[in-house]
Amino acid sequence: SQTIHQWPATLVQPVGSPLSLECTVEGTSNPNLYWYRQAAGRGLQLLFYSVGIGQISSEVPQNLSASRPQDRQFILSSKKLLLSDSGFYLCAWSKRGRGGVTGELFFGEGSRLTVL
Amino acid sequence: GENVEQHPSTLSVQEGDSAVIKCTYSDSASNYFPWYKQELGKGPQLIIDIRSNVGEKKDQRIAVTLNKTAKHFSLHITETQPEDSAVYFCAAHDRNSGNTPLVFGKGTRLSVIA
Repeated sequence: SQTIHQWPATLVQPVGSPLSLECTVEGTSNPNLYWYRQAAGRGLQLLFYSVGIGQISSEVPQNLSASRPQDRQFILSSKKLLLSDSGFYLCAWSKRGRGGVTGELFFGEGSRLTVL
Repeated sequence: GENVEQHPSTLSVQEGDSAVIKCTYSDSASNYFPWYKQELGKGPQLIIDIRSNVGEKKDQRIAVTLNKTAKHFSLHITETQPEDSAVYFCAAHDRNSGNTPLVFGKGTRLSVIA
């Protein structure tokens, strides 16, 4: 069966510090991978998605970046965190079919980032 | 591109009553409409989905209806229970559009009062 892991689960960082959130998927190959952010009490904001190694689409311009060094690994980074980067970050994957995105998104358990 | 509007943003119901959450979408090419439930501190999970060749789908106490002409779809939860309390998200997608992601609504916080 497929599983998705993301870490760390919680993170408290000072303004201006770097960030690295990691996500790995097991039990499948060639997944589409996604990073979402959820501010307190708000909806799901798509930050990045990837359809393959080294292929990253950015949905929102900001001081965050994403990388996909391996097929089932997705990393969210920042060189200098802002207060506004605080939130709940969710990694997700979906199967890839002939039509691209197919069916269900599978979310990780989330990483709660607090920037002080 | 696709735009999904979801209402209401918050909903409180008495245990045992029904809850209805409504969404509208803008892209007539969208043909896949999932609903996700997010419990506190966790990632969202798919609870039910519907494709555009179907008008209604039921799974025990949960049902989803789709009106393609009006471009809206709804989630119906009957006989609500406290464990139904969560944030619910609707989404829309054109499965023939290549690798573009799902577009989510802004979510509805459902509270079931015992």
